[in-house]
Amino acid sequence: RKEVEQDPGPFNVPEGATVAFNCTYSNSASQSFFWYRQDCRKEPKLLMSVYSSGNEDGRFTAQLNRASQYISLLIRDSKLSDSATYLCVVTWATASGTYKYIFGTGTRLKVLA
Amino acid sequence: DAGITQSPRHKVTETGTPVTLRCHQTENHRYMYWYRQDPGHGLRLIHYSYGVKDTDKGEVSDGYSVSRSKTEDFLLTLESATSSQTSVYFCAISPLAGQETQYFGPGTRLLVL
Repeated sequence: RKEVEQDPGPFNVPEGATVAFNCTYSNSASQSFFWYRQDCRKEPKLLMSVYSSGNEDGRFTAQLNRASQYISLLIRDSKLSDSATYLCVVTWATASGTYKYIFGTGTRLKVLA
Repeated sequence: DAGITQSPRHKVTETGTPVTLRCHQTENHRYMYWYRQDPGHGLRLIHYSYGVKDTDKGEVSDGYSVSRSKTEDFLLTLESATSSQTSVYFCAISPLAGQETQYFGPGTRLLVL
C-alpha cells in the first residue's frame, strides 16, 4: 500500500459545480497535512494546511479524519481557473528524529465552461 | 512568493556527463530539499539539508550528491548522468521540518540523452 494515495482523476466538472477529493494515508502517526496546487509545468504551491477541526478558505474547505486516515478537499462554485492538479502532503517524524514529507501523486481537476 | 530560484531552468546533457543544479534562497530558511517529479510517482525526495554542511539522503539518492556551503545555496550533482535521471527537479525550502509547509522553486527540466 502506498503511504499516501490519491485518485488520479481527471475530474471533469462544469463551472459552478462542487467537487471533492480525498487522500488516504497509511501512517497513523502522521502529524501535519497540506493541500498543494500544481499547474501544468509549474511548481507546487501551497493551497492550504489541514487542521484537525477542519478549515475553510473562501471556496475551499479541508478536513481531516484521523480515525479513517484521510484528508479531503472540497471546492465549491468551481472556476475555470481551478483547473490544476491537487497534491496532498502528509508528514511524520522518523525514528531518527527527522521528518518525512510524503506527496501524493495528485488528482487532476478540469473545470469545463 | 518565497524567494527561491533554480538554475539552470532547462538542460539537455548526454549520458555519462556530470551535471550540477543550483538552488538559491533569500529566505534564510534552515531546511532545503531536492525532489524529482516523474509521471505516476509524484514528488520523491533525493536529498535534504538541515543546515550548512548538514545533509542527508532521501528515498532516491543513488547517483546524486549534494552540498551546502552557505545557507542560501543547495547544489545537486548528478555524478554521471543516466537517461533514468531525465526528470523535473524541484528545490524546496522550509523554516522548520515537519510542522511547516515547504515552498518550491520553479523547477529544472533535465533531459539526459
